[in-house]
Amino acid sequence: QKEVEQDPGPLSVPEGAIVSLNCTYSNSAFQYFMWYRQYSRKGPELLMYTYSSGNKEDGRFTAQVDKSSKYISLFIRDSQPSDSATYLCAIGGSEKLVFGKGTKLTVNP
Amino acid sequence: GAGVSQSPRYKVTKRGQDVALRCDPISGHVSLYWYRQALGQGPEFLTYFNYEAQQDKSGLPNDRFSAERPEGSISTLTIQRTEQRDSAMYRCASSLDTSGGHNEQFFGPGTRLTVL
Repeated sequence: QKEVEQDPGPLSVPEGAIVSLNCTYSNSAFQYFMWYRQYSRKGPELLMYTYSSGNKEDGRFTAQVDKSSKYISLFIRDSQPSDSATYLCAIGGSEKLVFGKGTKLTVNP
Repeated sequence: GAGVSQSPRYKVTKRGQDVALRCDPISGHVSLYWYRQALGQGPEFLTYFNYEAQQDKSGLPNDRFSAERPEGSISTLTIQRTEQRDSAMYRCASSLDTSGGHNEQFFGPGTRLTVL
């Protein structure tokens, strides 16, 4: 079993839709949970960061962590064409991060 | 600079040649990480430094890969006797400090290495 599993998609939604992206992980020692957004031909950009179970909201984005199920989610409300990118979950301790494969999202106008 | 910078942005080399990839982290960032990202995949950890000390090199694929950060700032990832399978995007990231347990890593634009 891989340390971090993420459905690669691709995912295509209409503008305004609610998007749900998910990852599962196997190592219960992981403490930090992040979501990165990567536009084509660019480096990953940190989007959300949390280290506890529960929800964290930032504008249209909500990160959710369920440590008991080893499951993390990113929700995007009122999705916009500018949200079209690959979304990577990243999980780890205080040192290296383990990344999922990334989910490619396209938001159609 | 404001962000992590890497050079060169693109490197094409012939099989068997050595290459050196450079990373300049965000000023003041203590920790520096090297990752490799294949097309359609997430970044894969190679090695990381706190200041000049290499803390973990467990992700380096073999002994042809090495990294250094002699003055605790700029880092160089060196690949000796390159092989075609080394072709990938090599990404560098830095973070402010992991002593408090925080690990928000900021990535550079990457170096695209192509081995012919």
